[in-house]
Amino acid sequence: QVQLQESGPGLVKPSETLSLTCTVSGESVTSGDYYWSWIRQPAGKGLEWIGRVEINGNTEYNPSLKSRITMSIDRSKKQFSLKLNSVTAADTAVYYCARGYRGSYYFNWGQGTLVTVSS
Amino acid sequence: DIQLTQSPSFLSASLGDRVTITCRASQGISNNLAWYQQMPGKAPKLLIYAASTLQSGVPSRFSGSGSGTEFTLTITSLQPEDFASYYCQQLNAYPITFGQGTRLEIK
Repeated sequence: QVQLQESGPGLVKPSETLSLTCTVSGESVTSGDYYWSWIRQPAGKGLEWIGRVEINGNTEYNPSLKSRITMSIDRSKKQFSLKLNSVTAADTAVYYCARGYRGSYYFNWGQGTLVTVSS
Repeated sequence: DIQLTQSPSFLSASLGDRVTITCRASQGISNNLAWYQQMPGKAPKLLIYAASTLQSGVPSRFSGSGSGTEFTLTITSLQPEDFASYYCQQLNAYPITFGQGTRLEIK
C-alpha cells in the first residue's frame, strides 16, 4: 500500500522560496503509469492543482503559477519535490502531494502540510 | 482553463436522505471527471472516477453519472460519516481544475 508524506518548513518569509518534499513508501516511483503531483488548499477554500512530474522528468504546471514553480523527482530516494519562489501571503495553504493514475485521478494523497507565508 | 461549477455550494440534509450534487463544466470534458470527499482536516478521498466508476472500497450508496458538461454525484441513504465536503475534478485538459466544493451538513 503506497503512502505519501510531505515535509518541509511550515513558515516561509515573503519573497523567499517554499520548498517541499514528498516521500513515497510502500511502492516504487519508477513506474511510468503515475503522475506525481502537488495540490494546495488555502484555509476554508477549495483545491488548486499546482502541477505534476513524471518519472522521466516531464512536468506540467498550472499556468497561474508556472513562472514560479519547479518540480523534480529523485527515484533513488523515492521522493519528489516542489519549489515555489517569490512567495506571498496568497501562497499560504495546506500543500498536498498526490499520486495520479489514469491521467491524474488522485487515488493516493499525503496527509498535507500547512505552509504559512509571513515575516 | 475549464471551469467547474458545483451546485449547491451548501446542502443541509438528514440521516437517510438522498442527495444529489451537480458539477457543470464550462466546456465538454467527455467522462474525464472525478469526485472526492474531504473530511475536516483531512486529505481528499477519491470516490468516483471516469464520471461513474466507483473506487474500490467506497460504499455503493455513492454513485456518479454524466458526460460532456453535466455531472452528478448522488448519495442515497445518508450516513453520519457522509457529512463532509465534496469536490469534482476534471482532467480532460490542463490545467486540472476542481469545483469550488459542496459542503454537506446534517440538518
